[in-house]
Amino acid sequence: KQEVTQIPAALSVPEGENLVLNCSFTDSAIYNLQWFRQDPGKGLTSLLLIQSSQREQTSGRLNASLDKSSGRSTLYIAASQPGDSATYLCAVTLTGNQFYFGTGTSLTVIP
Amino acid sequence: NAGVTQTPKFRILKIGQSMTLQCAQDMNHNYMYWYRQDPGMGLKLIYYSVGAGITDKGEVPNGYNVSRSTTEDFPLRLELAAPSQTSVYFCASSYSRQAGASSTDTQYFGPGTRLTVL
Repeated sequence: KQEVTQIPAALSVPEGENLVLNCSFTDSAIYNLQWFRQDPGKGLTSLLLIQSSQREQTSGRLNASLDKSSGRSTLYIAASQPGDSATYLCAVTLTGNQFYFGTGTSLTVIP
Repeated sequence: NAGVTQTPKFRILKIGQSMTLQCAQDMNHNYMYWYRQDPGMGLKLIYYSVGAGITDKGEVPNGYNVSRSTTEDFPLRLELAAPSQTSVYFCASSYSRQAGASSTDTQYFGPGTRLTVL
């Protein structure tokens, strides 16, 4: 069974700092990996989708990398802002449309 | 586009009652999903559908039923509510260009339904 782990569970940083969120998964036979953002009491918003054949994806201040062989992905946030405060979840897709989510990293950016 | 909509936003049920959580999308997505999220936990897939008339079980299907009679709607049915079903339920949809393949596009989520069973 696929296990998805996110470390750290919570993170506080001062505004302007660059930061890295980590996601690891046990079964490397993934179809793709997605990073989501969840604001309190809200649904999830997709940030980046990396196909299994790709190494990284970028969107604005966000960069996600994927190393399938080691079962790891990182989400890099540059020049963090208070508006980045949210919970960040990663999810991996196996063939057959089985999705597995991590428990998330709660990020607080302090002004 | 309204995107993915869910009703109701909140609901309290008594043990043994039944209810249907509604989900609709107006993006003409072929894939739809139901997840539950328990406090401090990640989302777990309950059921999914790759098109009208086709549904399949996810990781935690027990106690739930779904149907997909149209592309737009994907209701989730709880027949005999139990306290273990207290959770936040999210519906999502996505588009896959290749029928039957794992979805390659991003998932769009609804705002969620917070269900409490007492």
